[in-house]
Amino acid sequence: DAGVIQSPRHEVTEMGQEVTLRCKPISGHNSLFWYRQTMMRGLELLIYFNNNVPIDDSGMPEDRFSAKMPNASFSTLKIQPSEPRDSAVYFCASSLFSYEQYFGPGTRLTVT
Amino acid sequence: DQQVKQNSPSLSVQEGRISILNCDYTNSMFDYFLWYKKYPAEGPTFLISISSIKDKNEDGRFTVFLNKSAKHLSLHIVPSQPGDSAVYFCAAISSSGSEKLVFGKGTKLTVNP
Repeated sequence: DAGVIQSPRHEVTEMGQEVTLRCKPISGHNSLFWYRQTMMRGLELLIYFNNNVPIDDSGMPEDRFSAKMPNASFSTLKIQPSEPRDSAVYFCASSLFSYEQYFGPGTRLTVT
Repeated sequence: DQQVKQNSPSLSVQEGRISILNCDYTNSMFDYFLWYKKYPAEGPTFLISISSIKDKNEDGRFTVFLNKSAKHLSLHIVPSQPGDSAVYFCAAISSSGSEKLVFGKGTKLTVNP
């Protein structure tokens, strides 16, 4: 069974550009999480969805960040406009009625 | 304010010996704890967990111990193998709250052959 799929794996963009990160959760899972990992802050939760509905977006750093989950098999995290301080690894994870979350391989974002 | 702390950024042990990774938490509402392992260029993978109603959970070479009064948990790996070299994250959650896992910053374990 395929795990969580994220694309792209690497993204390099210039400051001010729009960036869209994509995630396909494990089929049948009902919760989806977006995390950001940096050296300074570690692994921090940005937003999570349950049954495609955003439940908690308190970790989203600012209005430049937005996330959607139009259906059970797809989610996006968008940064517009991007800034150098957004450079990080972004992980998507999913779960099914469990505290155990399954992570994707991550997207390494570099904003120059 | 960090609610889950892993105070050792790195740990180095010899193959065959015991590895002990430590984690402290401050939020008394946390009642379920997990350990994740992460290799470079991969996402974290679930390793082992423990509920606050237990003080020990064992799975093969991996054992997690929980000391609720001290708000401390540890992961023991015996015997350690070179393939265990990775970053280990401790995470905690409150069953009465949301589904939000709170992660520590991780400990990089190196097992030397």
